[in-house]
Amino acid sequence: SQQGEEDPQALSIQEGENATMNCSYKTSINNLQWYRQNSGRGLVHLILIRSNEREKHSGRLRVTLDTSKKSSSLLITASRAADTASYFCATVGNEKLTFGTGTRLTIIP
Amino acid sequence: GAGVSQSPSNKVTEKGKDVELRCDPISGHTALYWYRQSLGQGLEFLIYFQGNSAPDKSGLPSDRFSAERTGGSVSTLTIQRTQQEDSAVYLCASSKDRSQPQHFGDGTRLSIL
Repeated sequence: SQQGEEDPQALSIQEGENATMNCSYKTSINNLQWYRQNSGRGLVHLILIRSNEREKHSGRLRVTLDTSKKSSSLLITASRAADTASYFCATVGNEKLTFGTGTRLTIIP
Repeated sequence: GAGVSQSPSNKVTEKGKDVELRCDPISGHTALYWYRQSLGQGLEFLIYFQGNSAPDKSGLPSDRFSAERTGGSVSTLTIQRTQQEDSAVYLCASSKDRSQPQHFGDGTRLSIL
Protein backbone atom coordinates (compact mmCIF):
# COMPACT_ATOMS: atom_id res chain seq x y z
CA SER A 1 0.00 0.00 0.00
CA GLN A 2 1.09 3.59 -0.54
CA GLN A 3 2.95 5.11 2.38
CA GLY A 4 2.30 8.68 1.22
CA GLU A 5 -1.03 9.96 0.01
CA GLU A 6 -1.29 13.45 -1.40
CA ASP A 7 -4.35 15.58 -1.57
CA PRO A 8 -5.84 17.10 -3.51
CA GLN A 9 -5.22 14.87 -6.52
CA ALA A 10 -5.50 17.91 -8.75
CA LEU A 11 -5.39 21.66 -8.11
CA SER A 12 -5.87 24.61 -10.48
CA ILE A 13 -5.15 28.16 -9.35
CA GLN A 14 -4.53 31.56 -10.88
CA GLU A 15 -0.97 32.72 -11.35
CA GLY A 16 0.18 34.69 -8.33
CA GLU A 17 -1.95 32.75 -5.85
CA ASN A 18 -0.54 30.36 -3.27
CA ALA A 19 -0.82 26.59 -3.72
CA THR A 20 -1.02 24.16 -0.82
CA MET A 21 -0.65 20.41 -1.14
CA ASN A 22 -0.90 17.90 1.67
CA CYS A 23 0.66 14.51 2.29
CA SER A 24 -0.35 11.90 4.85
CA TYR A 25 1.63 8.80 5.73
CA LYS A 26 1.21 5.75 7.91
CA THR A 27 4.41 4.67 9.65
CA SER A 28 7.28 6.39 11.44
CA ILE A 29 9.78 8.19 9.23
CA ASN A 30 13.35 9.47 9.28
CA ASN A 31 12.61 12.21 6.80
CA LEU A 32 10.07 13.30 4.24
CA GLN A 33 10.91 14.64 0.81
CA TRP A 34 8.97 16.55 -1.83
CA TYR A 35 9.59 16.15 -5.55
CA ARG A 36 8.30 17.83 -8.69
CA GLN A 37 7.74 16.14 -12.04
CA ASN A 38 7.21 18.04 -15.25
CA SER A 39 5.39 16.24 -18.03
CA GLY A 40 7.57 13.64 -19.72
CA ARG A 41 10.50 14.14 -17.35
CA GLY A 42 11.94 12.52 -14.28
CA LEU A 43 11.35 13.72 -10.75
CA VAL A 44 13.31 16.63 -9.32
CA HIS A 45 14.02 16.86 -5.61
CA LEU A 46 12.66 20.04 -4.01
CA ILE A 47 13.13 19.86 -0.28
CA LEU A 48 13.85 17.41 2.55
CA ILE A 49 12.52 17.80 6.07
CA ARG A 50 13.78 15.61 8.90
CA SER A 51 11.53 14.02 11.48
CA ASN A 52 12.76 16.38 14.21
CA GLU A 53 12.00 19.48 12.11
CA ARG A 54 8.61 21.17 11.97
CA GLU A 55 9.07 23.68 9.18
CA LYS A 56 11.51 24.36 6.39
CA HIS A 57 11.79 27.02 3.71
CA SER A 58 13.46 27.10 0.33
CA GLY A 59 12.78 30.13 -1.86
CA ARG A 60 9.02 30.21 -2.53
CA LEU A 61 8.56 26.78 -0.97
CA ARG A 62 7.49 26.17 2.61
CA VAL A 63 7.17 22.66 4.01
CA THR A 64 5.68 21.72 7.35
CA LEU A 65 5.78 18.38 9.11
CA ASP A 66 3.50 17.19 11.89
CA THR A 67 4.71 13.79 13.05
CA SER A 68 1.88 13.47 15.58
CA LYS A 69 -0.64 13.66 12.73
CA LYS A 70 1.67 11.91 10.26
CA SER A 71 1.17 14.67 7.75
CA SER A 72 3.11 17.25 5.77
CA SER A 73 2.18 20.19 3.63
CA LEU A 74 3.92 21.94 0.75
CA LEU A 75 3.11 25.59 0.17
CA ILE A 76 4.18 27.34 -3.02
CA THR A 77 3.81 31.10 -2.71
CA ALA A 78 3.26 33.56 -5.55
CA SER A 79 2.75 30.77 -8.07
CA ARG A 80 4.07 31.02 -11.61
CA ALA A 81 3.09 29.27 -14.82
CA ALA A 82 6.35 27.32 -14.61
CA ASP A 83 5.16 25.73 -11.36
CA THR A 84 2.68 23.65 -13.38
CA ALA A 85 3.73 20.06 -12.66
CA SER A 86 2.94 17.04 -10.51
CA TYR A 87 4.17 17.11 -6.94
CA PHE A 88 4.99 13.98 -4.94
CA CYS A 89 5.85 13.42 -1.31
CA ALA A 90 8.16 10.56 -0.39
CA THR A 91 8.80 9.13 3.02
CA VAL A 92 11.99 7.53 4.28
CA GLY A 93 11.61 5.16 7.19
CA ASN A 94 13.31 1.91 8.08
CA GLU A 95 12.32 0.58 4.70
CA LYS A 96 12.62 1.92 1.19
CA LEU A 97 11.69 5.40 0.09
CA THR A 98 8.01 5.32 -0.80
CA PHE A 99 6.27 7.81 -3.06
CA GLY A 100 2.70 8.99 -2.91
CA THR A 101 0.34 9.24 -5.85
CA GLY A 102 0.96 12.93 -6.44
CA THR A 103 -0.91 16.21 -6.83
CA ARG A 104 -1.32 17.60 -10.33
CA LEU A 105 -0.92 21.40 -10.05
CA THR A 106 -2.01 23.66 -12.90
CA ILE A 107 -1.23 27.38 -12.79
CA ILE A 108 -3.57 29.43 -14.96
CA PRO A 109 -1.84 32.47 -16.50
CA GLY B 1 28.32 12.51 -15.49
CA ALA B 2 26.16 15.55 -14.87
CA GLY B 3 23.03 13.56 -14.11
CA VAL B 4 21.34 10.21 -14.34
CA SER B 5 21.18 9.01 -17.93
CA GLN B 6 18.70 6.46 -19.22
CA SER B 7 18.53 4.76 -22.60
CA PRO B 8 16.68 4.34 -24.79
CA SER B 9 14.31 7.25 -24.16
CA ASN B 10 11.57 5.43 -26.05
CA LYS B 11 11.12 1.76 -26.86
CA VAL B 12 8.34 0.17 -28.88
CA THR B 13 8.30 -3.59 -29.13
CA GLU B 14 5.98 -6.47 -29.84
CA LYS B 15 4.38 -8.54 -27.14
CA GLY B 16 6.55 -11.50 -26.20
CA LYS B 17 9.87 -9.85 -26.99
CA ASP B 18 12.56 -9.22 -24.37
CA VAL B 19 13.70 -5.66 -23.63
CA GLU B 20 16.71 -4.17 -21.84
CA LEU B 21 16.66 -0.74 -20.29
CA ARG B 22 19.87 0.97 -19.24
CA CYS B 23 20.67 3.41 -16.45
CA ASP B 24 23.91 5.35 -15.89
CA PRO B 25 23.80 6.79 -12.36
CA ILE B 26 25.65 9.83 -11.06
CA SER B 27 29.27 8.97 -10.41
CA GLY B 28 29.88 8.15 -6.76
CA HIS B 29 26.25 7.41 -5.93
CA THR B 30 26.11 4.04 -4.19
CA ALA B 31 22.33 3.69 -4.24
CA LEU B 32 20.39 3.00 -7.43
CA TYR B 33 16.65 2.53 -7.84
CA TRP B 34 14.26 1.45 -10.56
CA TYR B 35 10.62 2.57 -10.60
CA ARG B 36 7.70 2.11 -12.93
CA GLN B 37 5.16 4.85 -13.59
CA SER B 38 1.95 4.23 -15.47
CA LEU B 39 0.19 7.13 -17.18
CA GLY B 40 -0.88 9.73 -14.65
CA GLN B 41 0.06 7.54 -11.71
CA GLY B 42 2.59 7.61 -8.93
CA LEU B 43 5.81 5.68 -8.78
CA GLU B 44 5.87 1.94 -8.24
CA PHE B 45 9.10 0.75 -6.64
CA LEU B 46 10.77 -2.13 -8.49
CA ILE B 47 14.29 -2.75 -7.20
CA TYR B 48 17.03 -1.07 -5.15
CA PHE B 49 20.81 -1.56 -5.22
CA GLN B 50 23.09 -0.34 -2.42
CA GLY B 51 26.82 -0.80 -2.89
CA ASN B 52 27.81 -4.45 -2.82
CA SER B 53 24.82 -5.55 -0.77
CA ALA B 54 22.22 -7.93 -2.12
CA PRO B 55 19.58 -5.90 -3.99
CA ASP B 56 16.10 -5.34 -2.61
CA LYS B 57 13.94 -7.00 -5.26
CA SER B 58 10.72 -6.82 -3.32
CA GLY B 59 8.99 -4.59 -5.88
CA LEU B 60 9.55 -6.69 -8.98
CA PRO B 61 6.05 -7.64 -10.21
CA SER B 62 6.95 -11.04 -11.68
CA ASP B 63 9.88 -13.31 -12.48
CA ARG B 64 9.91 -11.84 -15.98
CA PHE B 65 11.59 -8.79 -14.47
CA SER B 66 15.26 -8.77 -13.44
CA ALA B 67 17.98 -6.20 -12.95
CA GLU B 68 21.72 -6.11 -12.63
CA ARG B 69 24.19 -3.51 -11.55
CA THR B 70 27.68 -4.15 -12.85
CA GLY B 71 30.72 -2.79 -11.05
CA GLY B 72 28.56 -0.71 -8.76
CA SER B 73 27.71 1.67 -11.58
CA VAL B 74 25.60 1.00 -14.69
CA SER B 75 22.38 -0.92 -14.22
CA THR B 76 20.24 -2.85 -16.68
CA LEU B 77 16.58 -3.71 -16.17
CA THR B 78 15.45 -6.65 -18.27
CA ILE B 79 11.87 -7.60 -19.00
CA GLN B 80 11.39 -10.98 -20.62
CA ARG B 81 8.39 -12.05 -22.69
CA THR B 82 6.87 -8.59 -22.50
CA GLN B 83 3.13 -8.17 -21.98
CA GLN B 84 0.92 -5.19 -22.83
CA GLU B 85 0.54 -4.36 -19.14
CA ASP B 86 4.29 -3.75 -19.01
CA SER B 87 3.73 -0.55 -21.01
CA ALA B 88 4.82 2.33 -18.76
CA VAL B 89 7.64 4.77 -18.11
CA TYR B 90 10.56 3.15 -16.33
CA LEU B 91 12.48 5.59 -14.17
CA CYS B 92 15.93 5.16 -12.68
CA ALA B 93 17.29 7.20 -9.78
CA SER B 94 20.51 7.32 -7.81
CA SER B 95 21.53 8.80 -4.47
CA LYS B 96 24.51 8.97 -2.16
CA ASP B 97 22.71 6.67 0.23
CA ARG B 98 19.19 5.52 1.01
CA SER B 99 18.18 8.49 3.14
CA GLN B 100 19.48 11.15 0.76
CA PRO B 101 17.51 12.83 -2.05
CA GLN B 102 17.25 10.84 -5.23
CA HIS B 103 18.30 12.13 -8.64
CA PHE B 104 16.17 10.87 -11.48
CA GLY B 105 16.74 10.22 -15.13
CA ASP B 106 14.06 11.19 -17.64
CA GLY B 107 12.96 7.59 -17.99
CA THR B 108 12.36 5.10 -20.76
CA ARG B 109 8.86 5.11 -22.23
CA LEU B 110 8.09 1.48 -23.05
CA SER B 111 5.21 0.61 -25.33
CA ILE B 112 4.23 -3.00 -25.93
CA LEU B 113 2.14 -3.55 -29.05
